[in-house]
Amino acid sequence: GAVVSQHPSWVICKSGTSVKIECRSLDFQATTMFWYRQFPKQSLMLMATSNEGSKATYEQGVEKDKFLINHASLTLSTLTVTSAHPEDSSFYICSVSRTANSPLHFGNGTRLTVT
Amino acid sequence: QKEVEQDPGPLSVPEGAIVSLNCTYSNSAFQYFMWYRQYSRKGPELLMYTYSSGNKEDGRFTAQVDKSSKYISLFIRDSQPSDSATYLCAMIINSGGSNYKLTFGKGTLLTVNP
Repeated sequence: GAVVSQHPSWVICKSGTSVKIECRSLDFQATTMFWYRQFPKQSLMLMATSNEGSKATYEQGVEKDKFLINHASLTLSTLTVTSAHPEDSSFYICSVSRTANSPLHFGNGTRLTVT
Repeated sequence: QKEVEQDPGPLSVPEGAIVSLNCTYSNSAFQYFMWYRQYSRKGPELLMYTYSSGNKEDGRFTAQVDKSSKYISLFIRDSQPSDSATYLCAMIINSGGSNYKLTFGKGTLLTVNP
């Protein structure tokens, strides 16, 4: 069965608005969750590492004020795209792993389209 | 040289063929190796996970790791049209503390024709 639940699966929003994406770990408590972005025909790009109870760690070039991450519980992390612009249109995917050496399990992704 | 190299394809085979997908890597510190399958507009699905050299089999899938050559492969036997997807290799370095890195290949697009 699914290990990770991600919601919504797709969203269309107007430029300038904010969008929240939820990621839930269903099988185990996850102190760490990862957020990826994927553009068409490209591989996954790590955006940030979400840490329960502390600030997220962002990859170089990712604006932390634009992509707000909240990891309020051991099973839920949220990514909010603030003041979205058309160039933010992409496929956003979260993932969790049971331990540091375990493989990542991915959600089904959220396709964001900003008009 | 990129740390993980994967031929993006596309790769097109007839149904029933044996498929070989490959990744090479340059950093000998990679310890854990995974293969993912990603259907269009879906998140990646874990197929295989291994950490030692040699073969690991699961149904029609066999993962092979050769650490001496820094080379991993995924073999698909009796390929089916439902195997048509993008296949991504991934590798982990984890030597403790903050020295953790997960790196993906670019993915290989596979089409199995009925």
